[in-house]
Amino acid sequence: GAGVSQSPSNKVTEKGKDVELRCDPISGHTALYWYRQSLGQGLEFLIYFQGNSAPDKSGLPSDRFSAERTGGSVSTLTIQRTQQEDSAVYLCASSPDSIGELFFGEGSRLTVL
Amino acid sequence: GDSVTQMEGPVTLSEEAFLTINCTYTATGYPSLFWYVQYPGEGLQLLLKATKADDKGSNKGFEATYRKETTSFHLEKGSVQVSDSAVYFCALRDTGGFKTIFGAGTRLFVKA
Repeated sequence: GAGVSQSPSNKVTEKGKDVELRCDPISGHTALYWYRQSLGQGLEFLIYFQGNSAPDKSGLPSDRFSAERTGGSVSTLTIQRTQQEDSAVYLCASSPDSIGELFFGEGSRLTVL
Repeated sequence: GDSVTQMEGPVTLSEEAFLTINCTYTATGYPSLFWYVQYPGEGLQLLLKATKADDKGSNKGFEATYRKETTSFHLEKGSVQVSDSAVYFCALRDTGGFKTIFGAGTRLFVKA
């Protein structure tokens, strides 16, 4: 399809394990975002990539969280030593420019037992 | 820093009632403003947007006007339907910072 693709759609892991979440943005979109949506909560900004510029990591909640975007396309969000409070839906979005709308993926639901 | 404040929910209305969801913002630049909607079991999608002061965004009977003087972007609909039940998010995107900031979301329930 032509939309933002995220995988896995569901991930259950044990506390202390590392997880990787993948986002494949819409082709040609220069901006890519990661957000976190906890149960009943709003969208918490995590990190933002724009073209070849240095990413805005100001929303990452701890040094256990990191993200990279290879070749200006696919992005991976990595959470190390997961904790129960990391349980949430992780949303990826992309945008074709700096002022327009965001196109969201379906999200990756992470459950840490 | 930039921020978005929207009215807390949930909001419960009867079908055909008038809807207003308040949204105010704080931004250092001249942001674009958006309303996104998340229907049950679905991903977020754009509902409407406005890119400059006094612009009115509209879609599916919903409207919002970019008011720079009151830094507001309230969402309105004249007659809601059960199918409008969803969570509505107000958001801004500052042209200087590029980051998109979301409000906390307002859950709307419409009863038949």
